[in-house]
Amino acid sequence: DAGVIQSPRHEVTEMGQEVTLRCKPISGHDYLFWYRQTMMRGLELLIYFNNNVPIDDSGMPEDRFSAKMPNASFSTLKIQPSEPRDSAVYFCASKGGTGGYGTEAFFGQGTRLTVV
Amino acid sequence: AQSVSQHNHHVILSEAASLELGCNYSYGGTVNLFWYVQYPGQHLQLLLKYFSGDPLVKGIKGFEAEFIKSKFSFNLRKPSVQWSDTAEYFCAVNLDNYGQNFVFGPGTRLSVLP
Repeated sequence: DAGVIQSPRHEVTEMGQEVTLRCKPISGHDYLFWYRQTMMRGLELLIYFNNNVPIDDSGMPEDRFSAKMPNASFSTLKIQPSEPRDSAVYFCASKGGTGGYGTEAFFGQGTRLTVV
Repeated sequence: AQSVSQHNHHVILSEAASLELGCNYSYGGTVNLFWYVQYPGQHLQLLLKYFSGDPLVKGIKGFEAEFIKSKFSFNLRKPSVQWSDTAEYFCAVNLDNYGQNFVFGPGTRLSVLP
């Protein structure tokens, strides 16, 4: 398996534009997580899905952020409109297969977003 | 709120020195514990994990960690660091009764001088 795949790796956009980040989890994993990493706040969980259903989106900072998982092999995180303070590295991670707690999360390479 | 703390923000060591990075969590229930490493410009990778059993866990690249339940701690150790261990290290907790969320600590940056 190629691991968790994220695209794009880098995104530079202007303030006010819509940004869509993409993630393909590891096949067979039933949990998918979106994290944001910044120097100031470290790693923050934004949202996670189980079997394509959003379970906890309490970390989504504002209504400008939305996430979807239309099927088991694809998820998107959208920011509309984007702002400079959204600049960060966004990681997608997946885990599971057993549904139990005793498994680790596997992380993608991340998308470095810069909003100018 | 549940939290994970890491004792040091930045640790600087010379090659061959011994390493211990502290991690504490605030949760009284059953936990699963992890250490992840993030090399410069890369994604997080699992170093080791504890679910149950022997509280001394061995991971990759010569790392080990000890779970001390009474101290709510899961410290990471390595007897002799190398320059290639320069990275950021994150402690994470998966709380059994808190869903599948992973709570990460703020990270400790390790710089190993050649």
